[in-house]
Amino acid sequence: QVQLVQSGAEVKKPGSSVKVSCKASGGTFSSYAISWVRQAPGLGLEWMGGIIPILGTAVYAQKFQDRVILSADESTSTAYMELSSLRSEDTAVYYCARDPGMATITYFDHWGQGILVTVSS
Amino acid sequence: EIVLTQSPGTLSLSPGERATLSCRASQSVSSSYLAWYQQKPGQAPRLLIYGASSRATGIPDRFSGSGSGTDFTLTISRLEPEDFAVYYCQQYGRSPYTFGQGTKLEIK
Repeated sequence: QVQLVQSGAEVKKPGSSVKVSCKASGGTFSSYAISWVRQAPGLGLEWMGGIIPILGTAVYAQKFQDRVILSADESTSTAYMELSSLRSEDTAVYYCARDPGMATITYFDHWGQGILVTVSS
Repeated sequence: EIVLTQSPGTLSLSPGERATLSCRASQSVSSSYLAWYQQKPGQAPRLLIYGASSRATGIPDRFSGSGSGTDFTLTISRLEPEDFAVYYCQQYGRSPYTFGQGTKLEIK
């Protein structure tokens, strides 16, 4: 049974960076893409990008391309998302989500519990 | 990028009624690469439908999806109390993999 467990809530200052994690259990970690989706308070879902560990490749939404780095550590089955130059509009719940297909980014059948990142001075 | 517009924004119905939710894309979604999710307050989204019409594992058969090209529909044949939530469509035919803004299904 696949489970994605994310790290805890973060409070950051504007201009700083945050790095959050998503540890997977069950299934073969490296073969499946992990995407990051965020949700600002009271708003909808926004795909930020995804990483396919076995290919070592990441795909980013253009909106986030300059500020996001996705990475994965196959030895610990953990994916990471680092967002830099934080601003108040980045306050959101950040979800990791796993793709059901191998080596592709499509839809998401398993989700982490979400991490609230608050950006405030 | 492909913009998905969901309608209505809010749908007020009673348990036992039929719900029809719409998702319209600004460009054709290739190979019907469209998914639907349900989200309840404080919870992560849950996958309901993929490939426009295939139910995900464990999803009751009262949920069905249809459509192709630019027009897609999620139908809930007979609403149960646990179905009242926010529903999102998502296209995965072309990056960035965008979501609709959501339809809130509320109890009338």
